[in-house]
Amino acid sequence: GDSVTQMEGPVTLSEEAFLTINCTYTATGYPSLFWYVQYPGEGLQLLLKATKADDKGSNKGFEATYRKETTSFHLEKGSVQVSDSAVYFCALSPSRFGGTSYGKLTFGQGTILTVHP
Amino acid sequence: EPEVTQTPSHQVTQMGQEVILRCVPISNHLYFYWYRQILGQKVEFLVSFYNNEISEKSEIFDDQFSVERPDGSNFTLKIRSTKLEDSAMYFCASTGTGPTQYFGPGTRLTVL
Repeated sequence: GDSVTQMEGPVTLSEEAFLTINCTYTATGYPSLFWYVQYPGEGLQLLLKATKADDKGSNKGFEATYRKETTSFHLEKGSVQVSDSAVYFCALSPSRFGGTSYGKLTFGQGTILTVHP
Repeated sequence: EPEVTQTPSHQVTQMGQEVILRCVPISNHLYFYWYRQILGQKVEFLVSFYNNEISEKSEIFDDQFSVERPDGSNFTLKIRSTKLEDSAMYFCASTGTGPTQYFGPGTRLTVL
């Protein structure tokens, strides 16, 4: 079945450091890929997405590129802020499911990011 | 901007009791989902719902669980006889014609 693997955490950085959180996936066909963020005590918010190979999703300074050849969707940000401290989840949605929906999201285990001033 | 809402935000119950978690999906969405997140663990899929029936469910979603869309706006998850291991954050999500699922803020269920 489908699976998502994220880099081991937690990740601790100083403000303005460069961030990479690795994400690789296993799926058949051409899934859609997502990064969700969960701030302390809150729900899941969509950070960015990519729906086909070589697409780059971007939002709030974060970027991720859908690499079909390496089955990866690594999250990057050039200069993190204290306010970026949160848990980041990589997820995939399978290729169109049964012709009627996109099916369930499969999540990675999450990476805790802490940014110090 | 439209958003998914969930009530209550926190539910405390005794083991063996029934609970109903409520969700109001985004109004023009057609596909609805429940997920759960046990503290410190990954988010797990429970069930998806379309056209008034379950379209997919996980192994977690056994006979103790049920879902319903009782009217045009609400989407509910019922746990008939709660167990300690049902303690988790439960998220509702919905989607329209694209693959992006929009999540509610969650209901934290504590089973004592």
